[in-house]
Amino acid sequence: GEDVEQSLFLSVREGDSSVINCTYTDSSSTYLYWYKQEPGAGLQLLTYIFSNMDMKQDQRLTVLLNKKDKHLSLRIADTQTGDSAIYFCAETPLNDYKLSFGAGTTVTVRA
Amino acid sequence: DAGITQSPRHKVTETGTPVTLRCHQTENHRYMYWYRQDPGHGLRLIHYSYGVKDTDKGEVSDGYSVSRSKTEDFLLTLESATSSQTSVYFCAISDSPGEGGQPQHFGDGTRLSIL
Repeated sequence: GEDVEQSLFLSVREGDSSVINCTYTDSSSTYLYWYKQEPGAGLQLLTYIFSNMDMKQDQRLTVLLNKKDKHLSLRIADTQTGDSAIYFCAETPLNDYKLSFGAGTTVTVRA
Repeated sequence: DAGITQSPRHKVTETGTPVTLRCHQTENHRYMYWYRQDPGHGLRLIHYSYGVKDTDKGEVSDGYSVSRSKTEDFLLTLESATSSQTSVYFCAISDSPGEGGQPQHFGDGTRLSIL
């Protein structure tokens, strides 16, 4: 299967921007997703992007895709304490249904 | 939030006992999935279903079986639970792939402890 890699931890000060990085290996057309998991809860879909796009913005969230390097990032502007969670990057090839997940990045927001 | 209900939410049982987890959806989605979540591994697919009575194995299917007799229900069974199956189990649903990404939506999970 495809490999998706993420850094495991990120600490950020409240009010700063957070940037969570992800790399993937699938070279075909693909969808890439960001999910958020708060303690004791399921995964909440934040946003997703198709590999023919470079950027997608949704309120405080900006997704950047570098297809050449197979690198995906999620930027959270004005990070708040409620943004403390585990963030998962995932991918699926076009017309496929199987998601490949990274191990998740634990984001801690400090005052 | 997608209409997905997992039951039970928590369960403690003993090694060797059978366990069945239930996932119920109200979205009429075709695809349903069972994942397990363990530290350092993200989520790993156990089994999935692409329609009533249509199921297939995922990457960590050993020791698990599934059934789907109705569109809305997908059951995961551990025939004889082992301590290595202690985990958090998530159900997910999605519509047919190939149209607009069709992301998977997740339930709140079942925390299963096998002693």
